[in-house]
Amino acid sequence: EVQLVESGGGLVQPGGSLRLTCAASGFTFSNYWMTWVRQAPGKGLEWVANIKGDGSEKYYVDSVKGRFTISRDNAKKSLSLQMNVLRAEDTAVYYCARGVIGDSWGPGAQVIVSS
Amino acid sequence: QSVLTQPPSASGTPGQRVTISCSGSSSNIGTDTINWYQQFPGTAPQLLIHSDNQRLSGVPDRFSGSKSGTSASLAISGLQSEDEADYYCATWDNSLNAFVFGTGSKVTVL
Repeated sequence: EVQLVESGGGLVQPGGSLRLTCAASGFTFSNYWMTWVRQAPGKGLEWVANIKGDGSEKYYVDSVKGRFTISRDNAKKSLSLQMNVLRAEDTAVYYCARGVIGDSWGPGAQVIVSS
Repeated sequence: QSVLTQPPSASGTPGQRVTISCSGSSSNIGTDTINWYQQFPGTAPQLLIHSDNQRLSGVPDRFSGSKSGTSASLAISGLQSEDEADYYCATWDNSLNAFVFGTGSKVTVL
């Protein structure tokens, strides 16, 4: 059974940093693209970034380029999102998902950027 | 704002057919396949349909997807109360080099 579990969310001040992690199990992690998607309170889904199975390709939504970094550790079956220079508009539930299109999703991690 | 436009809401009585549209452009729907997601309040989205019209295993056949040109549609036939949820379309955009979600549609069962 595919399982994805996010961790590392919390409350952070504007300008601060946070690192989200997604622990994967139940599938051959290195064979899959992995994706981060976020959802601001009361809003729709927004794709954030994705990374190829071997880590050789990464793509980001324009609003996070230069601030967020997606990475993975295939040995640990772990996906990460390093978020720097956080803004109030980054407040959202962050989901990790398997594949480019997200055929399985984690329950999400809440990130609140507020002073 | 999103490059994929959906109606904010759709509704129907039990047993009726409801259709949700997703309008895009030549750089997204026009060149890549469309996917549909279902999301219940307070829970993670779930992929319903991929590759325009392929249901994920376990998805009831009352859900169907179609695409024509730069638009796509999700149809729910024989609407049931448990179908009340938010629905999103999504695909890759070759101009943005990004995956894009639609604006989302809330389906209400009257």
